[in-house]
Amino acid sequence: AQKVTQAQTEISVVEKEDVTLDCVYETRDTTYYLFWYKQPPSGELVFLIRRNSFDEQNEISGRYSWNFQKSTSSFNFTITASQVVDSAVYFCALSEAWYSGGGADGLTFGKGTHLIIQP
Amino acid sequence: KAGVTQTPRYLIKTRGQQVTLSCSPISGHRSVSWYQQTPGQGLQFLFEYFSETQRNKGNFPGRFSGRQFSNSRSEMNVSTLELGDSALYLCASSWPGQGTDTQYFGPGTRLTVL
Repeated sequence: AQKVTQAQTEISVVEKEDVTLDCVYETRDTTYYLFWYKQPPSGELVFLIRRNSFDEQNEISGRYSWNFQKSTSSFNFTITASQVVDSAVYFCALSEAWYSGGGADGLTFGKGTHLIIQP
Repeated sequence: KAGVTQTPRYLIKTRGQQVTLSCSPISGHRSVSWYQQTPGQGLQFLFEYFSETQRNKGNFPGRFSGRQFSNSRSEMNVSTLELGDSALYLCASSWPGQGTDTQYFGPGTRLTVL
């Protein structure tokens, strides 16, 4: 069965510090997708990134970057020069390949990391 | 494009009652999934609908059901409410409809069962 582990329950840093959120996953599939979502206090899950299992290139988007390593089954997320607006709960999620007739099993989420950026 | 909308945003019910939550997907999205979020269990997959058919269901009792209409709008129903059903219920839509598509979430319906 698929599983996502976010070992860091809560992280607190001072504004402008860099912070890395860890995500470790387990899956039996060779084809899968990994996601990161941000959940601000309003409750809505905001999509940040989607990465498939065949693309191990790191990705950078502004102050955000992601490091995908299949060898360690990790998909870590780094925020550079953090800002107070980055304060939220961040979720890592996994979706295994969709098989014809099998439908969709939905996303498997980690428990989330509550990130607190202090001014 | 408008995002995923969910109504109502807040609900208070008592044990034993039933409740219906509504979700309107992003225009053009035909897949709608529902998730339950609680402090103890986190985010858990309830079920997914595509073209008015339930394609998959998570590990929830039969009290949780749903349906999808021809315009892709979806409803979920919880009968005989229990205290443990208090949660944030999130709806997500995706296109074109594979399980690995990006799912876009609505703001959720916060259900409180007293």
